[in-house]
Amino acid sequence: AQSVAQPEDQVNVAEGNPLTVKCTYSVSGNPYLFWYVQYPNRGLQFLLKYITGDNLVKGSYGFEAEFNKSQTSFHLKKPSALVSDSALYFCAVRDETGGFKTIFGAGTRLFVKA
Amino acid sequence: KAGVTQTPRYLIKTRGQQVTLSCSPISGHRSVSWYQQTPGQGLQFLFEYFSETQRNKGNFPGRFSGRQFSNSRSEMNVSTLELGDSALYLCASSLWMDQETQYFGPGTRLLVL
Repeated sequence: AQSVAQPEDQVNVAEGNPLTVKCTYSVSGNPYLFWYVQYPNRGLQFLLKYITGDNLVKGSYGFEAEFNKSQTSFHLKKPSALVSDSALYFCAVRDETGGFKTIFGAGTRLFVKA
Repeated sequence: KAGVTQTPRYLIKTRGQQVTLSCSPISGHRSVSWYQQTPGQGLQFLFEYFSETQRNKGNFPGRFSGRQFSNSRSEMNVSTLELGDSALYLCASSLWMDQETQYFGPGTRLLVL
């Protein structure tokens, strides 16, 4: 069965410092991996996705993520955090053996302190 | 292009009532998925429709149902509401299925009293 784990409920980082939000996954087939961000009282906004190709994926707002097949991870990163990056981040996975259902992680709340 | 729209945005119902939520996908998008978001359970997949056919279903009781119309608009219905159905219901659309990115609406916040 598909699953996604975001091991940290919350990540705290100072503005200007690099940030990492962790995600690991478990699927039977080839994974399609996504990161979304949710601001208060809003729906989810797409950040980036990995389908195939380069393991380093660049997305919106300066975010990037690295696909690591051997570690089944897809961590979200940003070189320099902004206060406005504070939000709830979700990792998600789809694969053909799961009928392409999208399974979301529990979410990680990012706090960026000025 | 206009984004995904959901109506109503807020809804208050009492136990035992039923509710219908509506979702209009981005123009040209043929796949619509529904999710329930609660603080305790996170984002839970409800169902996915493509070309008026339900393609996937999550682990929710039969009280939760949905449909998709020929113009790709979708509705979900919850009958015999329970207190635990209070949640943010999110709709997402995508061009196709599989690899495509899902674009989310703002959600409908349902409160069951």
